[in-house]
Amino acid sequence: GQSLEQPSEVTAVEGAIVQINCTYQTSGFYGLSWYQQHDGGAPTFLSYNALDGLEETGRFSSFLSRSDSYGYLLLQELQMKDSASYFCASRTAGNKLTFGGGTRVLVKP
Amino acid sequence: KAGVTQTPRYLIKTRGQQVTLSCSPISGHRSVSWYQQTPGQGLQFLFEYFSETQRNKGNFPGRFSGRQFSNSRSEMNVSTLELGDSALYLCASSFGADLGSYGYTFGSGTRLTVV
Repeated sequence: GQSLEQPSEVTAVEGAIVQINCTYQTSGFYGLSWYQQHDGGAPTFLSYNALDGLEETGRFSSFLSRSDSYGYLLLQELQMKDSASYFCASRTAGNKLTFGGGTRVLVKP
Repeated sequence: KAGVTQTPRYLIKTRGQQVTLSCSPISGHRSVSWYQQTPGQGLQFLFEYFSETQRNKGNFPGRFSGRQFSNSRSEMNVSTLELGDSALYLCASSFGADLGSYGYTFGSGTRLTVV
């Protein structure tokens, strides 16, 4: 089976850095994705790691270690608009994604 | 460029009824997937279609079915509705057979309430 674990909630202040960890147990693992979802909105794609290492996209970075079955999403220079839920998702054969339970990030002024 | 369009946005049905949800992917996208989102179970994979063929299916009962048409539009059907089917149903599309580094584009979803 597939399972991904991530913290349920993180709180930080504007301008801070937040790291959301994700550990996974999957068979046929292709890569790890991250999605952001605001309340009442649709999930939006943030990043994808197929290989070990760090991928940087503006204020957001994502890391993967396949040997440790571990990844993280790093949110830098936090802004109020970053308050949302963040999901890690493992990709297996085809375009099937298995999602973690989501981490709710609350940014305070 | 239009995004992924799901209709209807909201739906209220009675237990035992059936429902059909529709999804129009981004123009040119051939892969369409469906996910169920609930507060208790999170985002769960239902099925994925590519070029009218179901490539993957999640662990849902046979009451859940879907199909994809030649224009890549997709529908999912739930028969004999149960209270536990109340959820946000999300459709997502991508261009190719391999999701790769581009990720899915999700629609805004259909909020189904079963009473």
